[in-house]
Amino acid sequence: GAGVSQSPRYKVAKRGQDVALRCDPISGHVSLFWYQQALGQGPEFLTYFQNEAQLDKSGLPSDRFFAERPEGSVSTLKIQRTQQEDSAVYLCASSGDRGLHGYTFGSGTRLTVV
Amino acid sequence: AQKITQTQPGMFVQEKEAVTLDCTYDTSDPSYGLFWYKQPSSGEMIFLIYQGSYDQQNATEGRYSLNFQKARKSANLVISASQLGDSAMYFCAMREGIGNTPLVFGKGTRLSVIA
Repeated sequence: GAGVSQSPRYKVAKRGQDVALRCDPISGHVSLFWYQQALGQGPEFLTYFQNEAQLDKSGLPSDRFFAERPEGSVSTLKIQRTQQEDSAVYLCASSGDRGLHGYTFGSGTRLTVV
Repeated sequence: AQKITQTQPGMFVQEKEAVTLDCTYDTSDPSYGLFWYKQPSSGEMIFLIYQGSYDQQNATEGRYSLNFQKARKSANLVISASQLGDSAMYFCAMREGIGNTPLVFGKGTRLSVIA
């Protein structure tokens, strides 16, 4: 596609509910990144993939967070048993083969846990 | 230690004036890239400008320029002729190493342009 597409745009979850956030990167982009952005803060790295391989998941806050990219294109970030501190915007970015200048971000998913 | 430091939580600038947003970075990797992004209230992250660690000249993109001082580890963004539409959050970010490694972001500076 023309850009990075994230869905849903907004998600309200009751505490304890599981959620799944989707990222559809730019076609052909090898690398895909997930970030968490709390209100008024900079994005914080969660995890990233090169093709289907998850190269770094050191930023995932707990074992309730899980990400996958099984076919090397679309990725899903899953959060189990959501808690209020999970409320944030979740940004996805993709990058081409050489990463020159080029991390294209999606519009994000705003998750609110009530 | 913070890898990217933006010391100005908020800045004001008069329309048509120039403004400098500060960014210092910390890395021991000789290969790195520095990025500036704009994030309006709508939330999308818009790429503005890039500077590679081996680039000899300061990067420029239209009204944006990057004042790269390698010895001081600083990469300040200069916006010339500010416009009302420049009001947004601005983030400095760094990629360490070569290739598609994750960006590390600063906490951002909120710029408000006054008519």
